Amino acid sequence: EDQVTQSPEALRLQEGESSSLNCSYTVSGLRGLFWYRQDPGKGPEFLFTLYSAGEEKEKERLKATLTKKESFLHITAPKPEDSATYLCAVQAANDYKLSFGAGTTVTVRA
Amino acid sequence: ETGVTQTPRHLVMGMTNKKSLKCEQHLGHNAMYWYKQSAKKPLELMFVYSLEERVENNSVPSRFSPECPNSSHLFLHLHTLQPEDSALYLCASSPGYTSTDTQYFGPGTRLTVL
Repeated sequence: EDQVTQSPEALRLQEGESSSLNCSYTVSGLRGLFWYRQDPGKGPEFLFTLYSAGEEKEKERLKATLTKKESFLHITAPKPEDSATYLCAVQAANDYKLSFGAGTTVTVRA
Repeated sequence: ETGVTQTPRHLVMGMTNKKSLKCEQHLGHNAMYWYKQSAKKPLELMFVYSLEERVENNSVPSRFSPECPNSSHLFLHLHTLQPEDSALYLCASSPGYTSTDTQYFGPGTRLTVL
């Protein structure tokens, strides 16, 4: 069974204080790893898809990386508007469903 | 309207009520999904429709009944729910199902069962 574990559960940062979120996964062959951002009371918003180890993608202050066992979401010099819950999901090679982690809630204080 | 829309945004119902959640996607996608999101828990996939045919049903209780009349609309019919069914119900769509197509989510319906 596919497993996705995100850590930490919550992260409080000062504005400008860079940090990383972790997504560890166990899957029978990885078809794709997805990162989403979710604001309170809203649906998840797509950020990135990573397909193979060594791949990296960037969007503004966010950078996602992938290894064979985990993915990191790096937040560089965060701003208060980066406060949200970040969700990680994996899609196995023998399936098309997404298995989600429980998320990391990031709070950035001005 | 753009993207994926859901109505109502909030719903309070008693255990004996019957209600329906509606989802509409304006993206021209062929696959649609229902997820349940409970506090501090991962999103749980409930149902998947591909080209209006149900392709996934993840052991969801029969008090939840999906309907997909066409590729743009998806409903979740609710009856005799339990308080533990209170959650955020999310609809999503993707271009296809048998690929790594990105799923795009609606804003969700916050359901409270009294």
